[in-house]
This record gives sequence, structure tokens and C-alpha cells, in this order.
Amino acid sequence: GDSVTQMEGPVTLSEEAFLTINCTYTATGYPSLFWYVQYPGEGLQLLLKATKADDKGSNKGFEATYRKETTSFHLEKGSVQVSDSAVYFCALSISSGSARQLTFGSGTQLTVLP
Amino acid sequence: ETGVTQSPTHLIKTRGQQVTLRCSSQSGHNTVSWYQQALGQGPQFIFQYYREEENGRGNFPPRFSGLQFPNYSSELNVNALELDDSALYLCASSVQGAQETQYFGPGTRLLVL
Repeated sequence: GDSVTQMEGPVTLSEEAFLTINCTYTATGYPSLFWYVQYPGEGLQLLLKATKADDKGSNKGFEATYRKETTSFHLEKGSVQVSDSAVYFCALSISSGSARQLTFGSGTQLTVLP
Repeated sequence: ETGVTQSPTHLIKTRGQQVTLRCSSQSGHNTVSWYQQALGQGPQFIFQYYREEENGRGNFPPRFSGLQFPNYSSELNVNALELDDSALYLCASSVQGAQETQYFGPGTRLLVL
């Protein structure tokens, strides 16, 4: 079945360091891909998305490119801040009946130290 | 624009009891999905509702059921609670035709003792 594999955490970085969180997927067809962020004690916030191959999603300095050839959607940020500390989830959207469901990876905990 | 809201924020139940969780969609959204997030894991899809009917379901038993109301708000009902039902329950709303882009509420944390 369709699935998402994420880089295991936790990841600890110093402020202003470069961030990469790896995400690969297995899917039939061409799913849309997403990154969500979850701050402590909160629900998920949509960070960025890409709907087709070679699309680049970007938001708040984060970006990810939909790579069909490597079935990947790695999240990157050039200079992280303490406020970026959170859990990051990679997800894909697939059909379930006439519904569209999100399938998530297990999440990567990011801690940014001042 | 009002975002997705959920109630209650926290709930404690005992095994065998029944629970009802509530969700109000983001303004303009007509589709609601429910997810279960166990501690330390990613959310898992329970089901989705559109036009007051379930139109897709994940791998959850029938004791998980739902409703959607004419104002697009929704309820998740879980009967015969088990210890493994302890989790954060997330509601997400979207627009039919673009329902792959989902916006999440803050969740209800359920503890089953």
C-alpha cells in the first residue's frame, strides 16, 4: 500500500544551521505531497505542498521539491530559528473511496538550540 | 475567517465507555476528516464525511462512527472504549474537489483508563 518514510529523529541543530529532513514515499499513481508541522500541544499546521513532479513548495523559508524519479520530498531550510522547534510530518494524499485521505510518516522531532 | 475548532480539549474515560468528540469546520469548508494520532506517531485516517455521509474510511473497526450535520460540523463517536484508543483525535476540514488540502484543528486528547 501507499506509505511515507521519514528520517528518524530527534534532530538537534544550532540556530542558523541548515536543515534537511528526508522523506520518501511509495504510491500508486501520482499523489500530492505535503509537509505539516506540529508545535507542542497543538494540532497540525500545513507548512507546504506540491501537487506534481518537479513542483517546489515553499513557505516561511522552508522548501521541498517533488522528485518523482527518487520518490522523495525532502524538507529544507537554509537557516533555522529556535521557533522552528517542532515535529515535522511528511504526508501524501491518496484516494479512499471518493474521499481523499492523508497518509503520514512517523514524524521528525526538531530541536533548535540558541 | 474562523479555523477548525474541536471540543473538548481533554477527556478521560474508562474502558468500555462511549465517547463523543466534536468538530466545527473552517468557514467555507464542506468536508470533514478525522484522524487518530497515538503518542509519538503520525496521524492515521479514520474516515471522511461529505454531504452528511461517510465517503471514505481507514482501517478502523465499526465502533468508530461519525456524523456530519447540515452546517458541516461533525462528531466522532467511539463505543466500547479500549486502552489503545488513548490518543489525540484530530479533525480536519477541506473543500470538496480540493479535499486533499486539509486544515487541522487543535485536537482532543483522550485518555482511556
